[in-house]
Amino acid sequence: DAKTTQPPSMDCAEGRAANLPCNHSTISGNEYVYWYRQIHSQGPQYIIHGLKNNETNEMASLIITEDRKSSTLILPHATLRDTAVYYCIVRVVIQGAQKLVFGQGTRLTINP
Amino acid sequence: DSGVTQTPKHLITATGQRVTLRCSPRSGDLSVYWYQQSLDQGLQFLIHYYNGEERAKGNILERFSAQQFPDLHSELNLSSLELGDSALYFCASSVAGSFSGNTIYFGEGSWLTVV
Repeated sequence: DAKTTQPPSMDCAEGRAANLPCNHSTISGNEYVYWYRQIHSQGPQYIIHGLKNNETNEMASLIITEDRKSSTLILPHATLRDTAVYYCIVRVVIQGAQKLVFGQGTRLTINP
Repeated sequence: DSGVTQTPKHLITATGQRVTLRCSPRSGDLSVYWYQQSLDQGLQFLIHYYNGEERAKGNILERFSAQQFPDLHSELNLSSLELGDSALYFCASSVAGSFSGNTIYFGEGSWLTVV
């Protein structure tokens, strides 16, 4: 069901920027891209979302390509606490009903 | 703290039994969503309610049912429980009923163990 593709795992050194890619080539013009993360069976934590412009908040930056077929989540100065599974999500419409469907995500490991 | 409250946090019950999981959405949120996460599995969408009405269904078993009450809290009822129903059940809430820039916040989940 998921409309996004992410690498299953990534590593990043502590203090460096973590760049997490996501492909969403079938995204429609009015669909937002959402990013969440889940730290070891805790509730998924909202990070950021965007439509077409790049977005930044206190947690991360979201870069969306001009054709909107892919995006990158950037954690500017990764810490050990950023180790988590990161989900890139696009709304799915099935039988007229909208759903937010999670894929397998990217398991990001921050190394000291 | 997301503001979404789920109870109980942990629950152990026997096969064949019935349990009810409760969710209180964030203040002002009209939508409630339920997700299931089995061990080492992804989050599976179960059902979405908006202002008391069912909006969307996912892969929810017929043994499971949910409702949203006038005060907007929601309950997920799981009956004739099987070992495979052991999972984390998450509730999430949002202000609106669509995903057009609408942020969804998740609770910390209810751990259900069926023995």
